[in-house]
Amino acid sequence: DGGITQSPKYLFRKEGQNVTLSCEQNLNHDAMYWYRQDPGQGLRLIYYSQIVNDFQKGDIAEGYSVSREKKESFPLTVTSAQKNPTAFYLCASSIQADTDTQYFGPGTRLTVL
Amino acid sequence: GNSVTQMEGPVTLSEEAFLTINCTYTATGYPSLFWYVQYPGEGLQLLLKATKADDKGSNKGFEATYRKETTSFHLEKGSVQVSDSAVYFCALVGGATNKLIFGTGTLLAVQP
Repeated sequence: DGGITQSPKYLFRKEGQNVTLSCEQNLNHDAMYWYRQDPGQGLRLIYYSQIVNDFQKGDIAEGYSVSREKKESFPLTVTSAQKNPTAFYLCASSIQADTDTQYFGPGTRLTVL
Repeated sequence: GNSVTQMEGPVTLSEEAFLTINCTYTATGYPSLFWYVQYPGEGLQLLLKATKADDKGSNKGFEATYRKETTSFHLEKGSVQVSDSAVYFCALVGGATNKLIFGTGTLLAVQP
């Protein structure tokens, strides 16, 4: 089955700790994306990657970091510098960056206590 | 810049009622338009899309027509079911920034 997986589904962390969210795809897509969703709001782009070993900041990159060492993997680290990290995080991928349909993973709900 | 405006929810309907969720957009050039659906606690699923003016996207009984003259992409379904209860997002890609831009989402609640 081809698709995008995110793990874990629920994640709890103490304030001040860094945490890394996993995103894996076996669709052979070049582009991958991270979005943040807050209650009652649309999705906001955190980071995106058009190709392996390359990534760009989105609209709300502060307090987050990413890496793209493999085509199928795009992990997101939520650092202690992110002032309000509790949110629902969605990973997506597309065949090419921005010019095609994006396919989404099931999401990770991060709660910082 | 590019933007998408959706009608605010929640939209509450009885089963078998007609659904319309309004979506209008602002963009330069000729964006592609999308409707995504999010069921409770899940990620987004692509519902339908249209890539040029007058195209009609359709899937699972839902339809939307790309209207360039009114810059709209309204979502319609003739007879909703309880299982259609979800949040619906209108989105576009293209124009000046070539990024996927989402509306704020519209919650649909269908009662039996």
